[in-house]
Amino acid sequence: EAGVVQSPRYKIIEKKQPVAFWCNPISGHNTLYWYLQNLGQGPELLIRYENEEAVDDSQLPKDRFSAERLKGVDSTLKIQPAELGDSAVYLCASSLDHEQFFGPGTRLTVL
Amino acid sequence: GESVGLHLPTLSVQEGDNSIINCAYSNSASDYFIWYKQESGKGPQFIIDIRSNMDKRQGQRVTVLLNKTVKHLSLQIAATQPGDSAVYFCAETEVAGGTSYGKLTFGQGTILTVHP
Repeated sequence: EAGVVQSPRYKIIEKKQPVAFWCNPISGHNTLYWYLQNLGQGPELLIRYENEEAVDDSQLPKDRFSAERLKGVDSTLKIQPAELGDSAVYLCASSLDHEQFFGPGTRLTVL
Repeated sequence: GESVGLHLPTLSVQEGDNSIINCAYSNSASDYFIWYKQESGKGPQFIIDIRSNMDKRQGQRVTVLLNKTVKHLSLQIAATQPGDSAVYFCAETEVAGGTSYGKLTFGQGTILTVHP
């Protein structure tokens, strides 16, 4: 069974440019999460979806970050415009019950 | 010039030794506690979890101990192998309702290095 798929794996952009990350969760997993992980730290939740509904987006900086999960399967996380401090790994995870399965992440570097 | 390091706790052991990784948590209302293993370039991988109404749970080569009095969690790995080398994170959560964990709050990681 395929795990959580994320693309791209790496992205380098200049500040003020837009960027988007894509996530395909494990088939049948209704819950999808986006996390941000800074170097040397644990992941921090940005947004959690139950099917297509964002049930917790309290940690998402809504002035520049947006996310969608239109059909309750794949999800996209966007940053516009990106800032230097957005450099991090962006992790997607999905779950059917308690256990969250993480993808490999997208490493974003903002120059 | 000024240098910036990771400043993560580290644990270095010999292959075959037992390892103990510790974690302090902050939310006394947390319902679940989970240990994750993260290898370089990969996302965190679930190891074991424990509910707040338990104080010990065992898995394959791993044991998690929970001390709610002092808000302390530990992960014991028996007969540590080089493949166990990774960063280990503890996480806590209040159950969101339904079947999902809800928001996980991760603690600071510990770098485990296992020498052959």
